[in-house]
Amino acid sequence: ETGVTQSPTHLIKTRGQQVTLRCSSQSGHNTVSWYQQALGQGPQFIFQYYREEENGRGNFPPRFSGLQFPNYSSELNVNALELDDSALYLCASSLSAGGEGDEQFFGPGTRLTVL
Amino acid sequence: GEDVEQSLFLSVREGDSSVINCTYTDSSSTYLYWYKQEPGAGLQLLTYIFSNMDMKQDQRLTVLLNKKDKHLSLRIADTQTGDSAIYFCAGGMNRDDKIIFGKGTRLHILP
Repeated sequence: ETGVTQSPTHLIKTRGQQVTLRCSSQSGHNTVSWYQQALGQGPQFIFQYYREEENGRGNFPPRFSGLQFPNYSSELNVNALELDDSALYLCASSLSAGGEGDEQFFGPGTRLTVL
Repeated sequence: GEDVEQSLFLSVREGDSSVINCTYTDSSSTYLYWYKQEPGAGLQLLTYIFSNMDMKQDQRLTVLLNKKDKHLSLRIADTQTGDSAIYFCAGGMNRDDKIIFGKGTRLHILP
């Protein structure tokens, strides 16, 4: 069983650009959540996808969007990048089968710097 | 609203016990977590406690929950240099639900 992986590890973009971050969930996990962790802060929930549909969203604008694919991979897309989007982006995968659900396993994150 | 508060820094001598405290406002949090984050690494779930429990012990870790005061603490016995990290208090409704994190407590180990 492989863990959760994310790519790229680091990324530098400029204001106004668009970025796509990728996450590969643990095999069999049907739920992926994305979090933004600004420097010196705790992670903040962006949104969650369950079986390829958005299943809850935090306080983030629509320029943050996502996709989840049947092969346990997912993407976080951010349009019109702003300086404040500079952060560590974490994805977490879990198996949701009703009831209380299962533990979320976090990837190592992608460090995004916006200049 | 949802909020989790914890002190930002803690310094402890190697071999002593570390106690990290947290308060939370969302009483609907069914699961309360402690995560560990080391530089360059993702978040590692250390332990969690269900909201109807008062205490949970797991080897060197002891979690205490005072639900009335919405206060959670993590005690690390016999603190080692490898315990140096940022510790996040967090809560969620279900285990696969969104997790609300505090800002983290940086634990520094003194020789």
